[in-house]
Amino acid sequence: DAGVIQSPRHEVTEMGQEVTLRCKPISGHNSLFWYRQTMMRGLELLIYFNNNVPIDDSGMPEDRFSAKMPNASFSTLKIQPSEPRDSAVYFCASSFDRYRPQHFGDGTRLSIL
Amino acid sequence: GQQLNQSPQSMFIQEGEDVSMNCTSSSIFNTWLWYKQDPGEGPVLLIALYKAGELTSNGRLTAQFGITRKDSFLNISASIPSDVGIYFCAGQREGGSNYKLTFGKGTLLTVNP
Repeated sequence: DAGVIQSPRHEVTEMGQEVTLRCKPISGHNSLFWYRQTMMRGLELLIYFNNNVPIDDSGMPEDRFSAKMPNASFSTLKIQPSEPRDSAVYFCASSFDRYRPQHFGDGTRLSIL
Repeated sequence: GQQLNQSPQSMFIQEGEDVSMNCTSSSIFNTWLWYKQDPGEGPVLLIALYKAGELTSNGRLTAQFGITRKDSFLNISASIPSDVGIYFCAGQREGGSNYKLTFGKGTLLTVNP
C-alpha cells in the first residue's frame, strides 16, 4: 500500500522566494498533519486538517506560512516569502481519524539560502 | 512545545545485545506510540499501545503502556545493524486536542556489528 507521499524531497532556494510543499495522504485517511522538524525543537505540529478543513493552525509560525487541502488526496504548505530560519525538514502525516496513529511521509528537506 | 522525558539520549551497543529505552511524563496519556526514524526518512510507526498495562510485540520489539499511564518502554531483543536509527516515543491525550502528539526527544541507537 502506498504511504504518505511528499514532494519535493529536497528544496534549495534563495531567501524571499515562494516555496510550495506537497502532500498526498494515505487513501481513506481523513486527518492530515503538517510538521516541522529541527534539531533544536524536534517535531512541531504546524497545522491539522480533518475532512479537508483546517482545525488547528496554532502551530503555524507566521503569516508567511499557509496551508490548503483542496481535496481528500492533496495538501500544500506554502511559505512566502521564505527566510533562512525556515530551513528544516517538513513532514506530512495522515491518520484514519484523529484518534488513530499518524503515519508520516519521508519529508521535504528545505534549505533557504 | 511540551516534550516527554525520553532516555537514554543515545546508546552504543554490540550486535546481538538487547536494548531498552523509556519515556516518562508528569501527565497521563491515553495512547503511547513508538516510532523509528532512519536518516533522510520520516518516522515509521513501530508499535501503538492503547490500554494501561498493555504489552505488545512486533517481531523483536516489545513495548508496554505503564500502569500509571505516565510512562512507556520499548525493548529490542537481539539487535542487528539495521536497528540503527532514532527511536521516538509519542503520547496522545484524551479530550478535544486528542489529535496532538507529544514527542520525546529521541534515542539514537548505534549497533556495532
